[in-house]
Amino acid sequence: AQSVSQHNHHVILSEAASLELGCNYSYGGTVNLFWYVQYPGQHLQLLLKYFSGDPLVKGIKGFEAEFIKSKFSFNLRKPSVQWSDTAEYFCAVNKAGSSNTGKLIFGQGTTLQVKP
Amino acid sequence: NAGVTQTPKFQVLKTGQSMTLQCAQDMNHEYMSWYRQDPGMGLRLIHYSVGAGITDQGEVPNGYNVSRSTTEDFPLRLLSAAPSQTSVYFCASKTTPDGNQPQHFGDGTRLSIL
Repeated sequence: AQSVSQHNHHVILSEAASLELGCNYSYGGTVNLFWYVQYPGQHLQLLLKYFSGDPLVKGIKGFEAEFIKSKFSFNLRKPSVQWSDTAEYFCAVNKAGSSNTGKLIFGQGTTLQVKP
Repeated sequence: NAGVTQTPKFQVLKTGQSMTLQCAQDMNHEYMSWYRQDPGMGLRLIHYSVGAGITDQGEVPNGYNVSRSTTEDFPLRLLSAAPSQTSVYFCASKTTPDGNQPQHFGDGTRLSIL
């Protein structure tokens, strides 16, 4: 069965620090990869997604992620975080291909706290 | 654009009571789904639908029923609430079941079972 693992459960950074959140998945086939963000009291919003092509994808608000197929990883990065980035971040995966029914498997989430 | 609308936003139930969480989308999306969010566990798929009249189970379907009589609506029913169902519930939709379509989430329903 597919699974997604986010190694960092709670990250505390100061403003302007660099961010990297880890995400690993277990599935041998072709996958689609997503990062979602949930600001306090709000619903999940899509940060970025990877389907194919360039393994380095850029998303909104200065976030980017790199798909490394050999490591089954899709880590999220941002060079300089802001206080407004305080939120919970979820990595999610689903199987690619025409038979896919769109079911997303989510990681446990990482809570990011940015200190001003 | 309303997007995905969930009602109610908050609800407290007693064990054994039943209730329906409503979800509606106005984007003519084929695919709709329900997740529950619990601390340290991320979001887990309860049920999903790839179109009107078609539903299927996700990871954690026990204790929940769904139906999809129209494209717009995808209600989630708790037949006999249990404390283990205390959670935040999110409804999501996307254009088609294709995996490369991102999902649009509602604002969530925070449910407490006493």
